[in-house]
Amino acid sequence: GQSLEQPSEVTAVEGAIVQINCTYQTSGFYGLSWYQQHDGGAPTFLSYNALDGLEETGRFSSFLSRSDSYGYLLLQELQMKDSASYFCAVRDPQYQLIWGAGTKLIIKP
Amino acid sequence: DTEVTQTPKHLVMGMTNKKSLKCEQHMGHRAMYWYKQKAKKPPELMFVYSYEKLSINESVPSRFSPECPNSSLLNLHLHALQPEDSALYLCASSQDRETSGDNEQFFGPGTRLTVL
Repeated sequence: GQSLEQPSEVTAVEGAIVQINCTYQTSGFYGLSWYQQHDGGAPTFLSYNALDGLEETGRFSSFLSRSDSYGYLLLQELQMKDSASYFCAVRDPQYQLIWGAGTKLIIKP
Repeated sequence: DTEVTQTPKHLVMGMTNKKSLKCEQHMGHRAMYWYKQKAKKPPELMFVYSYEKLSINESVPSRFSPECPNSSLLNLHLHALQPEDSALYLCASSQDRETSGDNEQFFGPGTRLTVL
């Protein structure tokens, strides 16, 4: 089966850097995705890692270590608008996404 | 056009009503999805259509009936719902399941459904 673990809540200060971790257990690995969802909004795709290493997109970066079954989302220069829930997700052998429970990011001024 | 649209935004219905949720995308995506999301939970997959054919039905009760009239449209027909079906219903699309999987999905804004 597939399962993912991520912290339920992370708090950080505006302007700082925060890392949201995700560990997974899968029968076969087909990539790790990250989504952002603001309260009352829809999930928005942030990034996808299929291979080990760091993928950077502006202030957001995502890292993957397949040997450790681990990834993280790194958010730099935090802004108040980054307050949201962040989901990691892995693809199973039937191509569908299995979602983590989500991490609520709280940013304080 | 890089968005997925959903109508209505809000829907209140009684347990004996019949209603439909609509979803549309014009990105040429060949996979479309229905999700149900409860507060503070991740999206829960209900149905997947790939090339207009039902690909996955995640043991959803028959009171939810999906329909894919063409590659741009996806409907979810609702009948005899229960109060516990109240949730945010999200539609999403992705380019092609077989080549890129479900990794990058584009979500619509959702329909907030309340069943009385």
